[in-house]
Amino acid sequence: AQSVAQPEDQVNVAEGNPLTVKCTYSVSGNPYLFWYVQYPNRGLQFLLKYITGDNLVKGSYGFEAEFNKSQTSFHLKKPSALVSDSALYFCAVRDSKLIFGAGTRLAVHP
Amino acid sequence: DAGVIQSPRHEVTEMGQEVTLRCKPISGHNSLFWYRQTMMRGLELLIYFNNNVPIDDSGMPEDRFSAKMPNASFSTLKIQPSEPRDSAVYFCASRQTSGGRTDTQYFGPGTRLTVL
Repeated sequence: AQSVAQPEDQVNVAEGNPLTVKCTYSVSGNPYLFWYVQYPNRGLQFLLKYITGDNLVKGSYGFEAEFNKSQTSFHLKKPSALVSDSALYFCAVRDSKLIFGAGTRLAVHP
Repeated sequence: DAGVIQSPRHEVTEMGQEVTLRCKPISGHNSLFWYRQTMMRGLELLIYFNNNVPIDDSGMPEDRFSAKMPNASFSTLKIQPSEPRDSAVYFCASRQTSGGRTDTQYFGPGTRLTVL
């Protein structure tokens, strides 16, 4: 069965520093991977996806994610964090439906 | 495009009452998903439809929950009777599904349900 794991419940980063939110996956076949962000009292917003092609995927708000097949990872990254990036981040893998990780809360401190 | 539309945005009701949540998917999307989000259980898929047909309802908690999609532009999630443990944020999402293409799923703003 397809699954994703987000090993960190929370990530704390100082504004201006690079950030990484981790995701590992388990799939049979080629993975279709997604990142979503949820701001307080809002629905989930699509950030980026990996289907095929370049391992580095660029998305909204300056985020990018690196697909690593050997490590079965799809970590979300941003070179310089903003306080406004503070939110809940979900990794997901697509089967016939999206299977979400538990979410990682990102807190960016001024 | 208006995105996925959900109504109401907030619902407060008393235990035992019937609750109906509504969703209008993005025009042209043929897959629709209902999720529930709570602090304790995170994000759970309740049911999803392809071309108005329920495909997987294994996430529906119990018989008190039912979902319908009478046409391509409207779906309802009904809870009857409601219980306090049903309090959560309910999200609707839609996607264009065609052949082997993997299109993005888009979420509505959610309905925050409180059952007293």
